[in-house]
Amino acid sequence: AQSVTQLGSHVSVSEGALVLLRCNYSSSVPPYLFWYVQYPNQGLQLLLKYTSAATLVKGINGFEAEFKKSETSFHLTKPSAHMSDAAEYFCAVSFTGGGNKLTFGTGTQLKVEL
Amino acid sequence: DTGVSQNPRHKITKRGQNVTFRCDPISEHNRLYWYRQTLGQGPEFLTYFQNEAQLEKSRLLSDRFSAERPKGSFSTLEIQRTEQGDSAMYLCASSSEGWGQGNQPQHFGDGTRLSIL
Repeated sequence: AQSVTQLGSHVSVSEGALVLLRCNYSSSVPPYLFWYVQYPNQGLQLLLKYTSAATLVKGINGFEAEFKKSETSFHLTKPSAHMSDAAEYFCAVSFTGGGNKLTFGTGTQLKVEL
Repeated sequence: DTGVSQNPRHKITKRGQNVTFRCDPISEHNRLYWYRQTLGQGPEFLTYFQNEAQLEKSRLLSDRFSAERPKGSFSTLEIQRTEQGDSAMYLCASSSEGWGQGNQPQHFGDGTRLSIL
């Protein structure tokens, strides 16, 4: 079975500081990994995806994530936080043969302070 | 690409009533998914369709829940005899099938928030 663990349900950073949101996965088959962002009372917006091509994936809004098989991790980073980045972030996994259905982590609420 | 559309955005109903939600996916997407999200949690998979065929249902989808996609376009999710525990955000997503089957990103609607009084 596939699962995702997001360490830290709340992360707080200063504006301009590095953002690091952690995601570890468990999968018995090669995974596809995704990061989504959710603003209050809205659906999820795709930030980036890993689909077995390049291990360093660049997404929208300056975010990127690196797939590390040895660490079973897919951490999300952004060099410089902006106030508009405050939102909830979800890591998710799917796999070939699984109907493309996503298994999500419990989410990390990012707070950006002045 | 007009995005995934869900209606209504909010639904308030009394316990025991039936409710129905609608999802209109991105037109060229043949896969449609329903998820449920409770407060402080990530979305949980409920069911998915490939065209009009319902291919998988989660154990979360009790007998009171039914989903349809009659013509392979829009989908409806009905909950009969609603209970307090059904209060949640119901999210719909769509994707194309893709060569790897698991690698196509899902595009989400803004959800329907259900509140049971």
